[in-house]
Amino acid sequence: QSALTQPPSASGSPGQSVTISCTGTSSDVGGYSYVSWYQQHPGKAPKVMIYGVNKRPSGVPDRFSGSKSGNTASLTVSGLQAEDEADYYCSSYAGSDDLVFGGGTKLTVL
Amino acid sequence: QLQLQESGPGLVKPSETLSLTCAVSGYSVTNRNCFWGWVRQPPGKGLEWLANIHYTGGTYYNPSLKSRLTMSVDTSKNQFSLIVSSVTDSDTAVYYCARRWAHDYHMDVWGTGTTVTVSS
Repeated sequence: QSALTQPPSASGSPGQSVTISCTGTSSDVGGYSYVSWYQQHPGKAPKVMIYGVNKRPSGVPDRFSGSKSGNTASLTVSGLQAEDEADYYCSSYAGSDDLVFGGGTKLTVL
Repeated sequence: QLQLQESGPGLVKPSETLSLTCAVSGYSVTNRNCFWGWVRQPPGKGLEWLANIHYTGGTYYNPSLKSRLTMSVDTSKNQFSLIVSSVTDSDTAVYYCARRWAHDYHMDVWGTGTTVTVSS
């Protein structure tokens, strides 16, 4: 069980779009449609933004979207806003009821 | 409205056993559609899934930590717990409890987290 690979940082200006990648293997990201994305502000608990690859929980702005191609999942934040600045973590089911997280990406709104 | 609240010792000595509890309010731990779990975050680092449990007793552990983890559910107190044995410095972290749906693998409700420091 290895951590999923995310870029350590990403950035964009207000109003722009930014995409964060999450690369795994055929045993996790590529093998199941159970990729989730979490937003975490400093000192706060994570909050789910996307689940099931591309589903948004109630209350999450539609500026947040998810997708997957092969072993790589992506989170896109459109129309960047200052409050989107946070750490983002992907997670995937890895079989046998195992869950694996990515290393996290710090999103900076310039 | 579901709320989760972790509690723990704050400070644990190396080689000792860490016991954490998550009190569940506004929801029953016996809901068959839910699992309950733990995730931790070392200082300045990323999230690490630790374990999940269903109230019927089914438990699932991170393979790399399985030998040191034990989860349990107390339906009478509507809470669940995690024991981490033989702790070391690397177990220093914020520990979060969370709810996970049985047929999905995302955690939709989280506690605020409890900080655990391993130090002599």
